[in-house]
Amino acid sequence: DAGVTQSPTHLIKTRGQQVTLRCSPKSGHDTVSWYQQALGQGPQFIFQYYEEEERQRGNFPDRFSGHQFPNYSSELNVNALWLGDSALYLCASSLPTDPETQYFGPGTRLLVL
Amino acid sequence: QKEVEQDPGPLSVPEGAIVSLNCTYSNSAFQYFMWYRQYSRKGPELLMYTYSSGNKEDGRFTAQVDKSSKYISLFIRDSQPSDSATYLCAIGPGAGSYQLTFGKGTKLSVIP
Repeated sequence: DAGVTQSPTHLIKTRGQQVTLRCSPKSGHDTVSWYQQALGQGPQFIFQYYEEEERQRGNFPDRFSGHQFPNYSSELNVNALWLGDSALYLCASSLPTDPETQYFGPGTRLLVL
Repeated sequence: QKEVEQDPGPLSVPEGAIVSLNCTYSNSAFQYFMWYRQYSRKGPELLMYTYSSGNKEDGRFTAQVDKSSKYISLFIRDSQPSDSATYLCAIGPGAGSYQLTFGKGTKLSVIP
């Protein structure tokens, strides 16, 4: 049973650039959430996608956007990168009938120089 | 006041010790309380979750929720070096929200 997968594993960008991160949910899961985890902090909720729509958004600026595809995979896009965006970006998947059980992927580590 | 407060440690214990990890939270509307374990440079792994108040046991791990004092705990018995990781408490989803709200995490080291 494949778990949540994310790509790439690591990424280095410079300020002002744009980045796209990808996530494939656990088999059978149709809900995808994205979290940002800064060094030494707990994950912070960015947004959740269900049925290809953004269902809920956390306290993140519009520079952060996403998309969910018909196969339930998802992308996170961040525009106009700045140093403070350096973090581990985590994707979690769940079933709508079991929203409290969110399974996380290994994350994408983004460094902005 | 932050929604979830967790002492970041670090916490260092000898092998075989009983470990107690704790969090407090502010929003009494939430009903689900989770503990995640995160090894260095890995994603969080769900250890266990509890619905409402009470205890839940899984092997060497016991999760406890006291809603009256908004206090959640994770106990690890007979701790092993392989338990060395960061432990994150989380609350939610619920009360119209789908997100998990995490504490900062407590870094635990179990010394052989």
